[in-house]
Amino acid sequence: NAGVTQTPKFQVLKTGQSMTLQCAQDMNHEYMSWYRQDPGMGLRLIHYSVGAGITDQGEVPNGYNVSRSTTEDFPLRLLSAAPSQTSVYFCASSYDLYTDTQYFGPGTRLTVL
Amino acid sequence: DAKTTQPNSMESNEEEPVHLPCNHSTISGTDYIHWYRQLPSQGPEYVIHGLTSNVNNRMASLAIAEDRKSSTLILHRATLRDAAVYYCILRDLLIQGAQKLVFGQGTRLTINP
Repeated sequence: NAGVTQTPKFQVLKTGQSMTLQCAQDMNHEYMSWYRQDPGMGLRLIHYSVGAGITDQGEVPNGYNVSRSTTEDFPLRLLSAAPSQTSVYFCASSYDLYTDTQYFGPGTRLTVL
Repeated sequence: DAKTTQPNSMESNEEEPVHLPCNHSTISGTDYIHWYRQLPSQGPEYVIHGLTSNVNNRMASLAIAEDRKSSTLILHRATLRDAAVYYCILRDLLIQGAQKLVFGQGTRLTINP
């Protein structure tokens, strides 16, 4: 099992550019989520999905879109990058809503100039 | 959501036990107490969780006060690899969206050789 994988590891964007952060898991987990972590802060939830075709907003969804067309993949799209979106992004997954353990990916470090 | 309070930082020596406290005075009867940790430049990883009784696993022990208003994560014999930020998180698995882990700032644990 590769677990939760994220690509790219690092990315630099200019203001206004768009990009997609990729997240994939090979554990057949239904629940997936995206968090962002700013320097010296805890993680904040952006969007989450309870299964293919179902997504919902978290704590800080503005400026981000998600979709869940397959169980394995949960990409995060930045439509028009802003410097305030400079952060480290983590994807996480778990088997279902009632499972206690969430598995996190290694993160994507994004800088928006 | 019920809140948790943790010290910003703690320091210990290698091969000694470490007791990481967490206060959660507004905990509800159905809130589970979870601990995650984040090693440098990595995503968070699950450590342990419990509801009322003390819990042990291969990584740590969780001691829960009788009134459940506080808990302590115990690392029995710290190693340098245990240096991380430790997050104490409350989750009510009975409510919709319970998978939304709410991270505070956590406790930064330093281990001295």
